[in-house]
Order: sequence, then structure tokens, then C-alpha cells
Amino acid sequence: AQSVTQPDIHITVSEGASLELRCNYSYGATPYLFWYVQSPGQGLQLLLKYFSGDTLVQGIKGFEAEFKRSQSSFNLRKPSVHWSDAAEYFCAVGYTGTASKLTFGTGTRLQVTL
Amino acid sequence: DADVTQTPRNRITKTGKRIMLECSQTKGHDRMYWYRQDPGLGLRLIYYSFDVKDINKGEISDGYSVSRQAQAKFSLSLESAIPNQTALYFCATSGADSRSYEQYFGPGTRLTVT
Repeated sequence: AQSVTQPDIHITVSEGASLELRCNYSYGATPYLFWYVQSPGQGLQLLLKYFSGDTLVQGIKGFEAEFKRSQSSFNLRKPSVHWSDAAEYFCAVGYTGTASKLTFGTGTRLQVTL
Repeated sequence: DADVTQTPRNRITKTGKRIMLECSQTKGHDRMYWYRQDPGLGLRLIYYSFDVKDINKGEISDGYSVSRQAQAKFSLSLESAIPNQTALYFCATSGADSRSYEQYFGPGTRLTVT
């Protein structure tokens, strides 16, 4: 069965510092990969997605992610974090033949210190 | 106006009561989903529907039922609410074909069962 691991439950970074949130997926087929952000009291907003092609994908709010098949990873990065980036981040994966169902990771809560 | 709306946004109910959560969308999407979010568990799929006549169970459907009244409306019911159904519930939609894995979320309904 497909699964997603976000090994970091909580991360704290200083404003202006770089950020990397880890995501690993399991399964053999080519995945569809997503990162969502959930601000306090809000729904989930799609940050970026990978379907195929260029393994480095750009998203909204200055985020990017890189698909590394050899490592089964899809880590989210941002060169300089802003205080407004404090939120919970979810990685999700889907596969062809799974009827567009997504499996979500357990989330990483990002705290930004000033 | 929001593309995916959920009502109510907050609800407190007692054990044994029947409750319905409603979801409407203006995105024109065929596919709709219900998830619940619990701290530390991420999002888990309850039910999903690919059109009005197609309803499918997700990974945690016990204790829940759904109704797809129209392409734009998908309701989740708890027939007899119990305290461990206290959670944040999200509705999501997606389009067809290659975009079917790209899901768009409503703002959520926070349900408390006492």
C-alpha cells in the first residue's frame, strides 16, 4: 500500500533562514506528488505538484520541491523563510490506477522565530 | 466567493445524535472527497465520489455515510455520533484525467462530539 513519511513533526527556523521539509513515499510506480500548506484555522492550499517532466518544480509563495526517484523523496525547500510561512505542511502522493486517491503524510508544523 | 464551501464551519453535538456536514463546489469538478484530520495522523479518506451515481468507501468509512445530491453537492452524515468522531472534516474536489489527482479543499468543519 502506498504511504508517505514526513519524519519531522515540528521544525523551528529563524526568519530569513533557509528551509527544507522532508517527504518520502513508498511504492514502485511513478508517483504524483503534492505539497499542501494549512495555515491556522484554514483549509489546505496547494503549494506545488509533480506529475512528470522536470524534477525540480516551482510553486507559489517562493517554494520549490525536487523529485528524487532514487531516494523516493520529494523535499520542499524555500531559500528564505518569512514569518507568514508558519503553518503545517503536508506531503501527499497518488498513483496511476489508484482512482485519484491521495495518501497524506502526517504533516510538519513549521514555527518561524523573528 | 470560495470554490469549495462547507457548512457548518463549527458544530458541537451530543453522543448518539445524527449530524450532516455539507459540501458545495463551483469548480465544475466531477470528483469529490471527504477527509477527516486528527492531530498527528494527517488526513484520512472517508468516502469519495466520481459522479452522482458513483460512491466509494475510503480507508475509514465505518460510522459514516454520504450522499451525492448533485454534481456540485456531497454530504457526509454521522448516523449516531460518538466522541472519537471529534475531528476536523474536509471536503475536496478534483477534475478528470491527468488533473484528477490535484485536489482542492474546502475550509473545513470542526466537529465536537460530547
